[in-house]
Amino acid sequence: GQNIDQPTEMTATEGAIVQINCTYQTSGFNGLFWYQQHAGEAPTFLSYNVLDGLEEKGRFSSFLSRSKGYSYLLLKELQMKDSASYLCAVRDSNYQLIWGAGTKLIIKP
Amino acid sequence: GAVVSQHPSRVICKSGTSVKIECRSLDFQATTMFWYRQFPKKSLMLMATSNEGSKATYEQGVEKDKFLINHASLTLSTLTVTSAHPEDSSFYICSAGVGETEAFFGQGTRLTVV
Repeated sequence: GQNIDQPTEMTATEGAIVQINCTYQTSGFNGLFWYQQHAGEAPTFLSYNVLDGLEEKGRFSSFLSRSKGYSYLLLKELQMKDSASYLCAVRDSNYQLIWGAGTKLIIKP
Repeated sequence: GAVVSQHPSRVICKSGTSVKIECRSLDFQATTMFWYRQFPKKSLMLMATSNEGSKATYEQGVEKDKFLINHASLTLSTLTVTSAHPEDSSFYICSAGVGETEAFFGQGTRLTVV
């Protein structure tokens, strides 16, 4: 079956750096997405990786290793507003998005 | 980025009634839209894929007659929850694909059936 694993919850301190990991086993691979979702709101797009390596976008970076079925989202200079759930999703061979359960990130002052 | 508008954001309805949720792509044409359901603290669950001008493709376990999907134009898809029951209470989200690299989401609809 298809599976996306990410930690349920993480805690970090304002101003610090946090890495949220995602591992996947899917039927084919056509890209990996990271989304941010605040409570009660719809997800918002953060990043997309289809080739191995690091994609940097401001305070957020996303890394992909297709051979390992692994990605991480790196958040730098954490701000209180970064408290949210972070969803990892993989697009499979049928171009369907397979979603992880999300990682709830708690930022403490 | 592309904008997807979903309406209403919140709705409360009585058991047995029907509720229609609209999903519009505001600045692009979407031949395909996706409808998701999300339970508290759970991931997104794909309910169906809405195809413009043809019948929607439903995921296994999703009742076609209960969750009616219509995609009559390139900018509008609707989800109608028919004969709603309290267990249908949930957060419903639509999304539309833009090229290869993205699916943008509507704001979501919080449905409460009382």
